[in-house]
Amino acid sequence: GAVVSQHPSRVICKSGTSVKIECRSLDFQATTMFWYRQFPKQSLMLMATSNEGSKATYEQGVEKDKFLINHASLTLSTLTVTSAHPEDSSFYICTAPGSSYNEQFFGPGTRLTVL
Amino acid sequence: GDSVTQMEGPVTLSEEAFLTINCTYTATGYPSLFWYVQYPGEGLQLLLKATKADDKGSNKGFEATYRKETTSFHLEKGSVQVSDSAVYFCALSEESSNTGKLIFGQGTTLQVKP
Repeated sequence: GAVVSQHPSRVICKSGTSVKIECRSLDFQATTMFWYRQFPKQSLMLMATSNEGSKATYEQGVEKDKFLINHASLTLSTLTVTSAHPEDSSFYICTAPGSSYNEQFFGPGTRLTVL
Repeated sequence: GDSVTQMEGPVTLSEEAFLTINCTYTATGYPSLFWYVQYPGEGLQLLLKATKADDKGSNKGFEATYRKETTSFHLEKGSVQVSDSAVYFCALSEESSNTGKLIFGQGTTLQVKP
């Protein structure tokens, strides 16, 4: 099946710094990718839809200036957490649809810890 | 808005026991329904799906039937193994969305003891 990678898998940063997370579709093109956030022992919440060639669409309550999304190419979307704070510590997961939107491929996730 | 509710965990079973994890949903129209599994330290993987009423999804001994009359998509397995220990997420994709946006339940942790 199709593979989605994320980099880094884990990152620890100091409060106030910015962190960039990459999501790549390795063997297929994805004009749309999704970014989810998962708090410990909780469910996944959609943060935003990343669109190649246009602005991302953010879910209600998600600060677009804090969580910058850039869909640089048909195989790469990046999420930058700007001026990170401890409350931003979470597990960030990206997905990309396959041949139909009922088929989603998940990245392995990135564990962000802000000290 | 649309939502998914799962039974609270953790669920602890002995090997070879029968498993049921309840999932109910609220949605307008006819969503597609999914079960995802997350093994320790790994990302989510699609376990099974159903795209219309009365469809049965199945994979690796797991089954779930799309019941529109009860708005449910309960996950079942006849005989669980230790290797089935994981977190299971029920999810739906809104019919009107056509983008693949998923709404997840809160997840149910399954622990199978030998």
